Amino acid sequence: SQQGEEDPQALSIQEGENATMNCSYKTSINNLQWYRQNSGRGLVHLILIRSNEREKHSGRLRVTLDTSKKSSSLLITASRAADTASYFCATGLMYSGGGADGLTFGKGTHLIIQP
Amino acid sequence: NAGVTQTPKFRVLKTGQSMTLLCAQDMNHEYMYWYRQDPGMGLRLIHYSVGEGTTAKGEVPDGYNVSRLKKQNFLLGLESAAPSQTSVYFCASRKAGGSYNEQFFGPGTRLTVL
Repeated sequence: SQQGEEDPQALSIQEGENATMNCSYKTSINNLQWYRQNSGRGLVHLILIRSNEREKHSGRLRVTLDTSKKSSSLLITASRAADTASYFCATGLMYSGGGADGLTFGKGTHLIIQP
Repeated sequence: NAGVTQTPKFRVLKTGQSMTLLCAQDMNHEYMYWYRQDPGMGLRLIHYSVGEGTTAKGEVPDGYNVSRLKKQNFLLGLESAAPSQTSVYFCASRKAGGSYNEQFFGPGTRLTVL
């Protein structure tokens, strides 16, 4: 089952505007990660926030985490055409065999930046 | 470094045929993963490996087998392909040592089963 759910499913904004995407999840986590996927390509890691962190910044990205509401948000400031992509939140699960964390992904938010 | 590479990039199979997808990473990562991505969906974990010679089931393992004979390679096999296995398959790897490590993804293999 999907652990994370992104909202909105699709978002279209003008270049230079800010884009905000939200993610909700169901069970307790030890970290939450955001990934970007350009059309027809693999996923690229953007940022990771630990369960004991509330906010994290990386360049034009700002991520917040509210564990009481089981939600996270990704803010991209001053958007560019190159930011057009699908964005996924992913939560780490602990499997019993060896402690390797597979990731559970939401369905993604498709972001379109209009020039 | 090439990172994570996958072969082939595209493949069309007929129902009942078999094939093997190859994933290779040159980052000396201990953990490797196979995911599938269906249209409009996020990725779902098929199988994973925590080291050479070890494999384990993920969320959707049925119909697939895997092997990790060498640390740098992780193979995904379909013994008897079914149309429901039409998907894009992604391999990923990461360092061991806790869960605070990002996963690195390959470019994907687009598989169609007719």
